[in-house]
Amino acid sequence: AQTVTQSQPEMSVQEAETVTLSCTYDTSESDYYLFWYKQPPSRQMILVIRQEAYKQQNATENRFSVNFQKAAKSFSLKISDSQLGDAAMYFCAYRRNFGNEKLTFGTGTRLTIIP
Amino acid sequence: NAGVTQTPKFRVLKTGQSMTLLCAQDMNHEYMYWYRQDPGMGLRLIHYSVGEGTTAKGEVPDGYNVSRLKKQNFLLGLESAAPSQTSVYFCASSQNLLAGETQYFGPGTRLLVL
Repeated sequence: AQTVTQSQPEMSVQEAETVTLSCTYDTSESDYYLFWYKQPPSRQMILVIRQEAYKQQNATENRFSVNFQKAAKSFSLKISDSQLGDAAMYFCAYRRNFGNEKLTFGTGTRLTIIP
Repeated sequence: NAGVTQTPKFRVLKTGQSMTLLCAQDMNHEYMYWYRQDPGMGLRLIHYSVGEGTTAKGEVPDGYNVSRLKKQNFLLGLESAAPSQTSVYFCASSQNLLAGETQYFGPGTRLLVL
């Protein structure tokens, strides 16, 4: 079974600084997707960034980028120029690229932005 | 454009009571999902639907039933609520089941079972 591990329950960063959130996963598959979701205090889950396992190039969305290390099964999220609005729970998620496979979520990392 | 909405936002039940959570989406998405989120855990899939009139079990289906009578609505029912069902429930929808497809989430329903 696939598992997703986020070993940092909480992180904090000074506003305008850079922070990296860690995620590791366990799978025997070679074809899959990885995601980072943001859950602000409003509780709504918002997709931040997505990575396809077959793509070697790391995904980037504005201030958000990932470091995808397929052999190490690591998928970290880097937030540059942190803003107060980035404060949220961040969830890493995995989905096998097959049929109606479910999303498997990690336990989340709570990110605090220090003004 | 409302996206995905959930009703109610918060509910308190007594053990043994029943209730239905309503999810509605206005994006004409084929696929809809119900998740629960518990402290210290990620979201877990309860049930999902691949289209009007169809439903399937997810990871933690016991104690829940669902119905998809209309494409835009996905109902989650608790026939006899238990304290273990205290959780935050999220509905989501997506256009298709491709692994990379974005799922759009609703704002969640907080349920407390006493």
